Amino acid sequence: SYELTQPPSVSVSPGQTAKIFCSGDALSNQFAYWYQQRPGQAPLVLIYQDTKRPSEIPERFSGSSSGTTVTLTISEVRAEDEAVYYCQSADSTGTYPVVFGGGTKLTVL
Amino acid sequence: EVQLVESGGGLVKPGGSLTLSCAASGFTFSDYSMNWVRQAPGKGLEWVSSISSLSGYIYYADSVKGRFTISRDNAKNSLYLQMNSLRAEDTAVYYCAKMSGVTGSWYDFIDFWGQGNLVTVSS
Repeated sequence: SYELTQPPSVSVSPGQTAKIFCSGDALSNQFAYWYQQRPGQAPLVLIYQDTKRPSEIPERFSGSSSGTTVTLTISEVRAEDEAVYYCQSADSTGTYPVVFGGGTKLTVL
Repeated sequence: EVQLVESGGGLVKPGGSLTLSCAASGFTFSDYSMNWVRQAPGKGLEWVSSISSLSGYIYYADSVKGRFTISRDNAKNSLYLQMNSLRAEDTAVYYCAKMSGVTGSWYDFIDFWGQGNLVTVSS
């Protein structure tokens, strides 16, 4: 199988910037995607193809990629951003077309 | 408006079987790959299976391979997951999920999710 690795938790104060990292060997040649999941809700895509943002997602959310690590950056963090964030990609062969990271719980202090 | 409505979940004994269904509307179902994703209580997202638009590509997570079967009926705008030899560790909310198709590949990311359907495996 193929794995994506995320930190279990990140904490940040309101108004600060949060960075959530995701690493995996195939990220150098497969796109990464980021989702936000609030309690009791289905996930919502924040970033696709490493850096693109759906029109309804605030500009505070951005994505970047470098080698085998991708990063979700949340600027000017608000209390409402407290949620679990998942990265998603695929393995290089397509045998596992959807792979999720373990999720990162963002706590707004 | 895209809608994905799952049904068929419930309580089943270990070793038992269950079939989940997902009724899709609001988009041309036959144009898009579909997925099943599950989430055990208090745990993260786990991909279960994907099927391409015309069922030419079908893949499973190692944890369900040989026990679960994904299928679709494009004439009925429906996605299915046949689950056999169920185990306690299969207990989860199961989401029907639509692949976006934005990248042009048969697989990319999920842009719409159903509301989720709880499957509990317990004696």
